[in-house]
Amino acid sequence: SAVISQKPSRDICQRGTSLTIQCQVDSQVTMMFWYRQQPGQSLTLIATANQGSEATYESGFVIDKFPISRPNLTFSTLTVSNMSPEDSSIYLCSVPHGHTDTQYFGPGTRLTVL
Amino acid sequence: GENVEQHPSTLSVQEGDSAVIKCTYSDSASNYFPWYKQELGKRPQLIIDIRSNVGEKKDQRIAVTLNKTAKHFSLHITETQPEDSAVYFCAATRSGAGSYQLTFGKGTKLSVIP
Repeated sequence: SAVISQKPSRDICQRGTSLTIQCQVDSQVTMMFWYRQQPGQSLTLIATANQGSEATYESGFVIDKFPISRPNLTFSTLTVSNMSPEDSSIYLCSVPHGHTDTQYFGPGTRLTVL
Repeated sequence: GENVEQHPSTLSVQEGDSAVIKCTYSDSASNYFPWYKQELGKRPQLIIDIRSNVGEKKDQRIAVTLNKTAKHFSLHITETQPEDSAVYFCAATRSGAGSYQLTFGKGTKLSVIP
């Protein structure tokens, strides 16, 4: 499986600020996914990041709040903008294994908004 | 879109006993069903998956069964051990055509009592 890293691993931020989360993969992948896991909850897909095109957002998530970049096939960023305490969550990226539907997750970024 | 229901939300078993977690899905076109294990503070780890062309798959102490007609699938863990204690998530997706978006169940917190 791919080796996936995320930065930062955790952060504590003030209300109204923005945080950019990085996801790095050790191999080229066509798609990268960003998930949110609120405290004690399941995983919810935020968006699919495709290289060379705009990200595709799921219902309830908008680009102004969660802008995504995908500059190449091994890297993506997710920005959480104008944060509020409700944004406190773990944010995870995932990638498919090769050309299969099997997905592997990065270690996650634990975000706390005060 | 797909909807995945997972039961029970919590499960306690004595060490050595079996544990069963059940999921139902709504989209009859879904054809790939992975199970993830998430230990406290860690990323979800893929433990087993099944595709719609088979009814059962085993890997040592864990097995997954799939009933396409009833649209449900189950995770079976035999001879449970304390290290099996974690939150387990089922997921479903309609694989193919480059779509790898997973819909997750709400999770089952499994506690194995020594």
